[in-house]
Amino acid sequence: EPEVTQTPSHQVTQMGQEVILRCVPISNHLYFYWYRQILGQKVEFLVSFYNNEISEKSEIFDDQFSVERPDGSNFTLKIRSTKLEDSAMYFCASSELGKGNGYTFGSGTRLTVV
Amino acid sequence: SQQGEEDPQALSIQEGENATMNCSYKTSINNLQWYRQNSGRGLVHLILIRSNEREKHSGRLRVTLDTSKKSSSLLITASRAADTASYFCATEGFYDYKLSFGAGTTVTVRA
Repeated sequence: EPEVTQTPSHQVTQMGQEVILRCVPISNHLYFYWYRQILGQKVEFLVSFYNNEISEKSEIFDDQFSVERPDGSNFTLKIRSTKLEDSAMYFCASSELGKGNGYTFGSGTRLTVV
Repeated sequence: SQQGEEDPQALSIQEGENATMNCSYKTSINNLQWYRQNSGRGLVHLILIRSNEREKHSGRLRVTLDTSKKSSSLLITASRAADTASYFCATEGFYDYKLSFGAGTTVTVRA
């Protein structure tokens, strides 16, 4: 069964450093998303992306965050200057048809900011 | 916010028993989805029910949706130890492009 692949599975970074989280969505999917889950809390929406542009973003997704689809297969989330409160599990998801259809989530990247 | 809220927060049952969990939300939705998360792992899509549907089945899963009460339930029949996980409902609105998740129900199935 097709999967959404995320790398790395764990990342530890110093506060203030930039991190790039990588995702390879399912190949025929057109809609891409990032969510995060702080330990013990709800899964929170960050951003949705379609046709090479952001469709929607949450209040969390401020100027420190950016997304990119640098080629035909990767979808990245960049955090420019990490803060302690950015520590969370970050999930990438993709969907073939978007709204009204299920999403396929990756296994996540656990980001720890120290 | 139209985030789902699950009830109960935690559930412990014996293998073979049924597990029922509920989800309530606040505003009109396009659809409601249920996901499973094994400890420390990703989210697995279980089932999607649209706002014009009242009940849906998938294997041992049965989902109901009552839009008048803004609530949904997930029933897992004949539970197995492998069903031990956290279960989340997530709503998708008509005018947005995101899922709003609830806090989840942690289900433990005892062998």
